[in-house]
Amino acid sequence: SQTIHQWPATLVQPVGSPLSLECTVEGTSNPNLYWYRQAAGRGLQLLFYSVGIGQISSEVPQNLSASRPQDRQFILSSKKLLLSDSGFYLCAWNWDSNEKLFFGSGTQLSVL
Amino acid sequence: GESVGLHLPTLSVQEGDNSIINCAYSNSASDYFIWYKQESGKGPQFIIDIRSNMDKRQGQRVTVLLNKTVKHLSLQIAATQPGDSAVYFCAENPRKGNKLTFGTGTQLKVEL
Repeated sequence: SQTIHQWPATLVQPVGSPLSLECTVEGTSNPNLYWYRQAAGRGLQLLFYSVGIGQISSEVPQNLSASRPQDRQFILSSKKLLLSDSGFYLCAWNWDSNEKLFFGSGTQLSVL
Repeated sequence: GESVGLHLPTLSVQEGDNSIINCAYSNSASDYFIWYKQESGKGPQFIIDIRSNMDKRQGQRVTVLLNKTVKHLSLQIAATQPGDSAVYFCAENPRKGNKLTFGTGTQLKVEL
């Protein structure tokens, strides 16, 4: 069976510090990978998605970047965090033939 | 632009009653719809999905109804339990690749 791992679960970072959130998927190959952000009490905003190694599409202009160094690894990064980067970050995956998304457990990021 | 929205931000029901969560969508080209449940501090979990060639689909204690004429989607939960308390999101696939568009969510509160 397939599983998705996302870490860390919580993170408190000062403004201007770098960020690296990691997500890995097990039990499948060549998944589509996604990063979403969720503000408190709000819906899901798609930040990045990837259909393969090194292939990244950005949905919204922002202070963040994403990379996919391996087939089942997706990383969300920032060189300098802003207060507005605070939120709940979710990694997700699916297959081309099935739109159903499978989500990770999320990372609660607080930028102070 | 195209969007998926929910009629009610918060829904309170008595334990044992049936719950109905509604969702309106505006993209008539959407051919796939899905409901997620998100508990506090966790990632969304798949509940049930439906394709546009159907108007009803049943799962365990849940039913999704799709009315393409008025572009309306609903999730019915039978015999609501305290464990059903969560935020429920609807999402659609507007056929722009496998990228779901999410609604803003409805908070379901189950009162004892």
